[in-house]
Amino acid sequence: EIVLTQSPGTLSLSPGERATLSCRASQSVSSSYLAWYQQKPGQAPRLLIYGASSRATGIPDRFSGSGSGTDFTLTISRLEPEDFAVYYCQQYGSSPWSPMWTFGQGTKVEIK
Amino acid sequence: QVQLVESGGGVVQPGRSLRLSCAASGFTFSSYGMHWVRQAPGKGLEWVAVISYDGSNKYYADSVKGRFTISRDNSKNTLYLQMNSLRAEDTAVYYCAKGRRIVGPDAFDIWGQGTMVTVSS
Repeated sequence: EIVLTQSPGTLSLSPGERATLSCRASQSVSSSYLAWYQQKPGQAPRLLIYGASSRATGIPDRFSGSGSGTDFTLTISRLEPEDFAVYYCQQYGSSPWSPMWTFGQGTKVEIK
Repeated sequence: QVQLVESGGGVVQPGRSLRLSCAASGFTFSSYGMHWVRQAPGKGLEWVAVISYDGSNKYYADSVKGRFTISRDNSKNTLYLQMNSLRAEDTAVYYCAKGRRIVGPDAFDIWGQGTMVTVSS
């Protein structure tokens, strides 16, 4: 089982600042199979990035994903008030119907 | 409008059973793999189970294997999760989610609003 470790646990920033979130995998993940989600309190998660770097439909271009192998990054170029939330990375199987999808433990982006 | 709506959550005693449903609309339900994901209070996301578009393939997290069963009825555009032998640690919000692509494993592009399951005596 691939374990995803996100850092930092909490990121305290001000609106307008740049946020850089890290996701490290315990073994290599195909870049095609790494996603990022945003979750606000009381809401379901929302897909932001899939395939490590492709933005999902309707996601603003201030969100970008990068990385390969075991190290992946979500960058929010300029934080808007609505961006303060918890962010999760996820890896999914690299072969058809690989039986595991796993999430990182999350990074909370809070207002400084 | 693409939508997933879960139902069936509630309070149940340890060892008892519960069945969750997820009604889909706005997309061709029968073409996509579907998932259940849960989130314990104040905790992160945990993938629970997946079912292929036609129901022929099913996989489970180790934590629920042998106790939970995922199924679907494509004629009713509905996904199910039968939960047996429930434990306190199964207490969580349960989300259904749609796989992004028709073919192959992928991220989850549509999520329901979640239904709360509380296992307590």
